[in-house]
Amino acid sequence: AQSVTQLGSHVSVSEGALVLLRCNYSSSVPPYLFWYVQYPNQGLQLLLKYTSAATLVKGINGFEAEFKKSETSFHLTKPSAHMSDAAEYFCAVRTAGNTPLVFGKGTRLSVIA
Amino acid sequence: KAGVTQTPRYLIKTRGQQVTLSCSPISGHRSVSWYQQTPGQGLQFLFEYFSETQRNKGNFPGRFSGRQFSNSRSEMNVSTLELGDSALYLCASRTGDANTGELFFGEGSRLTVL
Repeated sequence: AQSVTQLGSHVSVSEGALVLLRCNYSSSVPPYLFWYVQYPNQGLQLLLKYTSAATLVKGINGFEAEFKKSETSFHLTKPSAHMSDAAEYFCAVRTAGNTPLVFGKGTRLSVIA
Repeated sequence: KAGVTQTPRYLIKTRGQQVTLSCSPISGHRSVSWYQQTPGQGLQFLFEYFSETQRNKGNFPGRFSGRQFSNSRSEMNVSTLELGDSALYLCASRTGDANTGELFFGEGSRLTVL
């Protein structure tokens, strides 16, 4: 069965600094990978997704993620953090077929002025 | 285009009661999934419905049930509520490819069990 591990339940960065949120997946077949963001008292919003096309995926709000099969990773990055990036971020995986999307436990990002 | 709508947004129940939560998907979306979100466990999959049929079910006790109507609207029910059922219940709808199609989430129904 597929699973996702997000390293670090809380990450804190300074405004303007690099954002790096880590995600490792476990899947016996090629996965489909997603990053979602959740702002307080809201539902989840898709940031980006990997669907076996380009390994470097660009998303909304300046975020991008790189699929590395050898490392089973799909880390999320943003070159320069903004205060509005403070939120909870979830990595998720789905394998082929009509299987449910499985989420990691999330990483809360704090941005310090 | 209206997003996923969940009602009620907040509710308080006592142990032993039951609760019904409603979800209206985005127009044209035939797949509806439900997730339970808690601080300790993150998002846990409850079930998915497609064209009124349950397609997938998560590892939850039988007290948790759901259904989908012909207009794709979905409800979930939790009977004999326990304190541990306090959570944010999220509904999401999807269209397109079953593998790559993104989930569109509602804002959730926050259930507090006293």
